[in-house]
Amino acid sequence: GDSVTQMEGPVTLSEEAFLTINCTYTATGYPSLFWYVQYPGEGLQLLLKATKADDKGSNKGFEATYRKETTSFHLEKGSVQVSDSAVYFCALIVLGSARQLTFGSGTQLTVLP
Amino acid sequence: NAGVTQTPKFQVLKTGQSMTLQCAQDMNHEYMSWYRQDPGMGLRLIHYSVGAGITDQGEVPNGYNVSRSTTEDFPLRLLSAAPSQTSVYFCASSYSPGQSSYNSPLHFGNGTRLTVT
Repeated sequence: GDSVTQMEGPVTLSEEAFLTINCTYTATGYPSLFWYVQYPGEGLQLLLKATKADDKGSNKGFEATYRKETTSFHLEKGSVQVSDSAVYFCALIVLGSARQLTFGSGTQLTVLP
Repeated sequence: NAGVTQTPKFQVLKTGQSMTLQCAQDMNHEYMSWYRQDPGMGLRLIHYSVGAGITDQGEVPNGYNVSRSTTEDFPLRLLSAAPSQTSVYFCASSYSPGQSSYNSPLHFGNGTRLTVT
């Protein structure tokens, strides 16, 4: 079946540090890939997506590149802010999967001032 | 701009009690779904619906029922609550006019935190 593996947290960084959250996947078909973010007390929000190999999704200074050869979709940001503190979820969906998103377990990020 | 609205925000039940978690969206989305979020396990799909009158099971449907009588509403019913159903429940919807939109982003509600004692 489909699965997503994320680096385990929690991750604690100082403000302006570089962020990488690793995500790898296995999929039965050709997946679309997503990063969702969950701020405290809220639901998940789409952060970025990529639908085919070598696509780069980007939003709010975050980037992730769809790497088919390594089945990865790592999330990066060059300079994190305190307001980036949240839980980040990598997810995939495959055409024909009854629209079921498969989520990773989430990575808690805390950014200290 | 309400988006996806879930009620209640918090609920405590005793084992064996039943209740309904409410979900409503005002975006005219065809697709709606229920997920549960448990520590270290990400989100798991309980039930979903691709339109009014159509529902189907997800990964973890046991102990839950759903119905979809209108496009806007998708309630989740717990028939006889068990401690294993202690979780945070999220309703989500997306635009779904056909196969080409299968990867449309999901819009989530703010969740219902349920505790079963």
